[in-house]
Amino acid sequence: GAVVSQHPSRVICKSGTSVKIECRSLDFQATTMFWYRQFPKQSLMLMATSNEGSKATYEQGVEKDKFLINHASLTLSTLTVTSAHPEDSSFYICSAHERGRTYNEQFFGPGTRLTVL
Amino acid sequence: EDQVTQSPEALRLQEGESSSLNCSYTVSGLRGLFWYRQDPGKGPEFLFTLYSAGEEKEKERLKATLTKKESFLHITAPKPEDSATYLCAVRVLSGSARQLTFGSGTQLTVLP
Repeated sequence: GAVVSQHPSRVICKSGTSVKIECRSLDFQATTMFWYRQFPKQSLMLMATSNEGSKATYEQGVEKDKFLINHASLTLSTLTVTSAHPEDSSFYICSAHERGRTYNEQFFGPGTRLTVL
Repeated sequence: EDQVTQSPEALRLQEGESSSLNCSYTVSGLRGLFWYRQDPGKGPEFLFTLYSAGEEKEKERLKATLTKKESFLHITAPKPEDSATYLCAVRVLSGSARQLTFGSGTQLTVLP
């Protein structure tokens, strides 16, 4: 149980295009999902917290108009990188908190490698 | 400002050579300290949660301990398959109830 999937696992796009990344909780309902970014040999940096049915909360320094987050259902959150540029190339990881459990339990997805040419 | 520091950045061990990884933290109030394992190109895999000083948890060759200032991840007789990056993270009283702050990780390589 407690499986989180991400799609796609890897994406390469041209500068200026938009890319959508999906995060799904496969066998549980996730009231909260988190989006992280990880640069090579660095740790995970929280970008935003996504709550089902409400607006996402962004961390300081993260542009909400560039990184659009939608949490339309209890099993799906999407991150759209708009007008992507090479500096947005990174490893994006989501995690999900299961409805009804303590917040100590977060399950991570396998990540999405974004490369912007 | 809450800080989480892991050391060493990288560690190379021979198979069977036991060692410890360190995670020191300076936070306003600890709600929990977490250890994760991350393989290249993958998301973090949960290992342990520790809540209070003196607490210990074990899983196979791994044992995590916690004091008021730091946590150790002890690896006993490691095998090459234990090679990975080990991340620690904290959840604090002052922040969002759901937010984790990660350290930069220790990259462990176990040589056969």
